[in-house]
Amino acid sequence: ETGVTQTPRHLVMGMTNKKSLKCEQHLGHNAMYWYKQSAKKPLELMFVYSLEERVENNSVPSRFSPECPNSSHLFLHLHTLQPEDSALYLCASSVSSASNEQFFGPGTRLTVL
Amino acid sequence: AQTVTQSQPEMSVQEAETVTLSCTYDTSENNYYLFWYKQPPSRQMILVIRQEAYKQQNATENRFSVNFQKAAKSFSLKISDSQLGDTAMYFCAFMTYSSASKIIFGSGTRLSIRP
Repeated sequence: ETGVTQTPRHLVMGMTNKKSLKCEQHLGHNAMYWYKQSAKKPLELMFVYSLEERVENNSVPSRFSPECPNSSHLFLHLHTLQPEDSALYLCASSVSSASNEQFFGPGTRLTVL
Repeated sequence: AQTVTQSQPEMSVQEAETVTLSCTYDTSENNYYLFWYKQPPSRQMILVIRQEAYKQQNATENRFSVNFQKAAKSFSLKISDSQLGDTAMYFCAFMTYSSASKIIFGSGTRLSIRP
């Protein structure tokens, strides 16, 4: 197992719910990432944080709201999602945003009803 | 546009056999890294092997090796003496020096190793 943990591992929510995904890295890294993994599609980079500042936002709908309170923690706040948002959400970290190696968490399997 | 194409959605081989996973990519940049990531059924993605585009020598990591053909923009992964634990999704990916932190992934190849 890598030093990146994610909770919860599974989440089922209705379209009107508000929930949050949590990611924590124990590697002393300065960059963290959110990816969306849908079936039979490539991983999609959603957000990049470097030293707690957002450096990348890949045209993600506003119903996804990231938060990085410190370099070890990353959240993804979810609000009024759509069924097509059902996917595996992966968190990753790297030494810096310029690093060529990222370490991934196990993911949160999200189902939107 | 920068893209990664994995033309084999699924593959299956017998244990101890050698298997090659294909990957092609497209970029106009000259400096980049190429990767193969493995995602076992437990879902934690791990880096298998990495190649720097300026290096002509193919990277190897134990039973894993790549065949990097820069002119053809091809980056295949060879797994020798395959083991049951190699069963996983394999993703080819690349990252340019100019857009560090943005790794572009392919859609993956599901590899099954049969006992």
